[in-house]
Amino acid sequence: NAGVTQTPKFQVLKTGQSMTLQCAQDMNHEYMSWYRQDPGMGLRLIHYSVGAGITDQGEVPNGYNVSRSTTEDFPLRLLSAAPSQTSVYFCASRAGSSYEQYFGPGTRLTVT
Amino acid sequence: GENVEQHPSTLSVQEGDSAVIKCTYSDSASNYFPWYKQELGKRPQLIIDIRSNVGEKKDQRIAVTLNKTAKHFSLHITETQPEDSAVYFCAARGGANSKLTFGKGITLSVRP
Repeated sequence: NAGVTQTPKFQVLKTGQSMTLQCAQDMNHEYMSWYRQDPGMGLRLIHYSVGAGITDQGEVPNGYNVSRSTTEDFPLRLLSAAPSQTSVYFCASRAGSSYEQYFGPGTRLTVT
Repeated sequence: GENVEQHPSTLSVQEGDSAVIKCTYSDSASNYFPWYKQELGKRPQLIIDIRSNVGEKKDQRIAVTLNKTAKHFSLHITETQPEDSAVYFCAARGGANSKLTFGKGITLSVRP
């Protein structure tokens, strides 16, 4: 089991560029989430999904899109990158029958 | 929605002493309270959790206590070691289908 994987580990973008952060899990978990972590702000929920084809907004969804076409994958798209989106992004997953949530290794994104 | 607060934002203890980190939550319907440890540059890792039908849970040197009346829960680390130095996040969830809300984190430093 690879658990929750994320790519890339690091990314530098220019303002206005778009990109997709990849997240995959091989545990057949129904629930997947994206968080951003900024200094002193904790982990803030961007978007989440309770199953394939179902997504919903979290606390800070503006500027991000998600889709969930399969159980395994939950990509996060930045439509037009802004410096305010400089952050560390974590993907997480959990089984529907469980409370325990597991995090991926994170992607450090810098927008210049 | 749920609001989770952690105070203070930093805590320094001498090696071998105990550390107590407290969190408060706002939603009386919350019934699941995990604690995550995050080492520098790493992903958050679940270290212990408690459900609302239990008042205390222990796992070796760590324990979590829950006071539902006062709506607070605490992480207790005994015989602290330098490797306990990390950022600790508390979180709360209202039910299996609810989102996990995180506190802002506390940086624990263990002085050798």
